[in-house]
Amino acid sequence: GNSVTQMEGPVTLSEEAFLTINCTYTATGYPSLFWYVQYPGEGLQLLLKATKADDKGSNKGFEATYRKETTSFHLEKGSVQVSDSAVYFCASDNYGQNFVFGPGTRLSVLP
Amino acid sequence: ETGVTQSPTHLIKTRGQQVTLRCSSQSGHNTVSWYQQALGQGPQFIFQYYREEENGRGNFPPRFSGLQFPNYSSELNVNALELDDSALYLCASSLESVMNTEAFFGQGTRLTVV
Repeated sequence: GNSVTQMEGPVTLSEEAFLTINCTYTATGYPSLFWYVQYPGEGLQLLLKATKADDKGSNKGFEATYRKETTSFHLEKGSVQVSDSAVYFCASDNYGQNFVFGPGTRLSVLP
Repeated sequence: ETGVTQSPTHLIKTRGQQVTLRCSSQSGHNTVSWYQQALGQGPQFIFQYYREEENGRGNFPPRFSGLQFPNYSSELNVNALELDDSALYLCASSLESVMNTEAFFGQGTRLTVV
């Protein structure tokens, strides 16, 4: 079945630093790809998504590009803020039905 | 705010007991999916309901069961609770049983089994 792998956390950055969180997937076919964010004590919020190869999802300064050749969907942000501190989950859809999530990467941004 | 509400927010149960968790989907959404998120891990798919019928199931034993009602709200029932069932349970609603449409997650129910 499908699977998603993310870089291990936690990731600790200073405010205004550049962020990359790596994500790779295995799947039969071409799934849609997602990044979800989970703030402390809350559920999941969709951050961005891409539905086909070479699509770039973007939201709130975060970006990720669907790379079919490397089966990757790395999350990037040019300048992180303290308010970006959260757990980030990469996910693929499983034949358009359910999500398959990675283990999550905890990000802490220090002022 | 997503419009997906879950109840209760927290509860504590004893091993061997039964529990029912509830989810009210966003208005107009006819699909509800349930996920289990153990501490420090990503959510794992339990099952999905589409128009009151089970429409897919993950690798969970039969003591995890569910219902969807005509108003598309949903319940997750877990029988014979085990310590490992302690987790955050998330429901997600969407318009169709195709996840390319945007799915909205509730805040979750934190279940502790002692």
